[in-house]
Amino acid sequence: SYELTQPPSVSVSPGQTASITCSGDALPKQYVYWYQQKPGQAPVVMIYKDTERPSGIPERFSGSSSGTTVTLTISGVQAEDEADYYCQSADSRGSYWVFGGGTKLTVL
Amino acid sequence: QVHLVQSAAEVKNPGASVKVACKASGYTFTASHMHWIRQAPGQGLEWMGWINSESGGTTYAHNFQARVTMTRDTCSSTAHMELRGLTSDDTATYYCATKPAGEGYFDWGQGTLVTVSS
Repeated sequence: SYELTQPPSVSVSPGQTASITCSGDALPKQYVYWYQQKPGQAPVVMIYKDTERPSGIPERFSGSSSGTTVTLTISGVQAEDEADYYCQSADSRGSYWVFGGGTKLTVL
Repeated sequence: QVHLVQSAAEVKNPGASVKVACKASGYTFTASHMHWIRQAPGQGLEWMGWINSESGGTTYAHNFQARVTMTRDTCSSTAHMELRGLTSDDTATYYCATKPAGEGYFDWGQGTLVTVSS
């Protein structure tokens, strides 16, 4: 079955840049959505269609894409950004969703 | 503005079934698909499938194909997900999510905790 691969954890100091990658064979054909999830809360979309940012999401969150890898970048990380981050996409035909395993961002 | 409100938490015995509701408002219900996702305690997100809110057609993830049924009621703008043959492994928070036509991203419900315990 199709899978998306994320690093299990990323650690950065406040003010630094955090990069979380998501890899999958179908990513050149399908959009990626990035979600932030804090304990006890539903996921919140941070980036959609690879690079777009919903209104209300801080500008320090950005997305990029290159081949089979997409990246969520958080510039000037703040303590409030500590959370789990998930990428979500679809198989090559767009029939089935798939989530990455999630990345725990720790702000040191 | 899209608003998805899910039914209250449930406690079920092993072997039972659960039916979770997701009431939609703020958009044309039949203009989008409704997806269902679950998350076991301390685990990641797992996609279960989706229903075409207009036609009622469904696509289920392989892991759930034998045990899940997704339906919708266009009169009340409500989607339902029924999971049968519950085991303790089905203890999770279940979410609905949708992206209306013309919108860029998916909106999620608040989640429904289903606990399977004897």
